[in-house]
Amino acid sequence: DVKVTQSSRYLVKRTGEKVFLECVQDMDHENMFWYRQDPGLGLRLIYFSYDVKMKEKGDIPEGYSVSREKKERFSLILESASTNQTSMYLCASSPFLASETQYFGPGTRLLVL
Amino acid sequence: GQQVMQIPQYQHVQEGEDFTTYCNSSTTLSNIQWYKQRPGGHPVFLIQLVKSGEVKKQKRLTFQFGEAKKNSSLHITATQTTDVGTYFCAGLTSNDYKLSFGAGTTVTVRA
Repeated sequence: DVKVTQSSRYLVKRTGEKVFLECVQDMDHENMFWYRQDPGLGLRLIYFSYDVKMKEKGDIPEGYSVSREKKERFSLILESASTNQTSMYLCASSPFLASETQYFGPGTRLLVL
Repeated sequence: GQQVMQIPQYQHVQEGEDFTTYCNSSTTLSNIQWYKQRPGGHPVFLIQLVKSGEVKKQKRLTFQFGEAKKNSSLHITATQTTDVGTYFCAGLTSNDYKLSFGAGTTVTVRA
């Protein structure tokens, strides 16, 4: 079974703090994704990566950056957290082609005070 | 950019009844996927549709892809309490790496 893990289930940070969200997958998948999930808005893509050190902006990249130094790990960085970044953050991975199934991690619920 | 609209946002169903959730895209899709997220859980892949007019069934769930490949539906018959959750459709266009998710339909069931 594919396993996607995220570093924290719940996180509380203060405005202006730098926040790191880590995601690890154990199935040698090429593609990894970061989404945020908000009520009524579904899942919105922040960034994705199709290879090590490669990254592409999604639909809402502003205020975020990412890092993919190793194939299995994809990090989401909030350089200076703001209250409007309070959300559920979901990481996903997929084998190779973008059309294939995405496997999601359990999510990190981030609260920015 | 591509937008995928999903209706209704909420569906309250009496146990044993049927319901349908609909997904519409502003552009032609190369495929559409459906995911289910249980309360407190994460989205889990259900199925993928690729061909125009395709219909696939999983027990009480019937998935359909429109002839124009711009819309899709999920129909659940004889709803059970295990069907509670949020159902998302996600569409992919042929010139894009990214899935565009609908806002989801959150289903609650009255016993």
